Amino acid sequence: DTGVSQNPRHKITKRGQNVTFRCDPISEHNRLYWYRQTLGQGPEFLTYFQNEAQLEKSRLLSDRFSAERPKGSFSTLEIQRTEQGDSAMYLCASSLGQGNDKNIQYFGAGTRLSVL
Amino acid sequence: AQSVTQLDSQVPVFEEAPVELRCNYSSSVSVYLFWYVQYPNQGLQLLLKYLSGSTLVKGINGFEAEFNKSQTSFHLRKPSVHISDTAEYFCAVSETRIAGKSTFGDGTTLTVKP
Repeated sequence: DTGVSQNPRHKITKRGQNVTFRCDPISEHNRLYWYRQTLGQGPEFLTYFQNEAQLEKSRLLSDRFSAERPKGSFSTLEIQRTEQGDSAMYLCASSLGQGNDKNIQYFGAGTRLSVL
Repeated sequence: AQSVTQLDSQVPVFEEAPVELRCNYSSSVSVYLFWYVQYPNQGLQLLLKYLSGSTLVKGINGFEAEFNKSQTSFHLRKPSVHISDTAEYFCAVSETRIAGKSTFGDGTTLTVKP
């Protein structure tokens, strides 16, 4: 069990460019979550998957954001035409599923995005 | 929908003193409750959780929390803090029925002074 892995750890990009982040969950975890955290605030929910199905998307997830989990294992989060307001820490978490201990989410170290 | 309010944005305390970080939540349905700790430039580490059963839960690093349903609170306590406890602490809730996303408070910065 190597924990939740996120790559890259840091990403600096120019406004208008596209970026993609990757998350590898804990093996055998069915659920995978994406959150965004800005300075001085708690994580805000973006979206989550049950296996390969995207079950819920936040209103924060504009049309420029898209997330996939094609084979129910790793996930990618893409931001198109980045804006300075997209600068944040993007956190990924995974859990076994639903019901008591299965609901506990384990977080990766995050990808810090800076849009210049 | 749920919401979480962490009543103190910053808590300074001297080493070996007790500390309490306060968390209130609002929800129309039953919830699971969590406390996480975050060190600079790192992800969130689970400190403790309330899922069901005893309202007093113990976690890692000597922390404990008490679930108070009538007051909709889940305050975090430690009887004696160390310098290494300096970090950001987040309270979170998730619905038991759906058990999907978590809703987080804005965090409390605990600073332990020598």
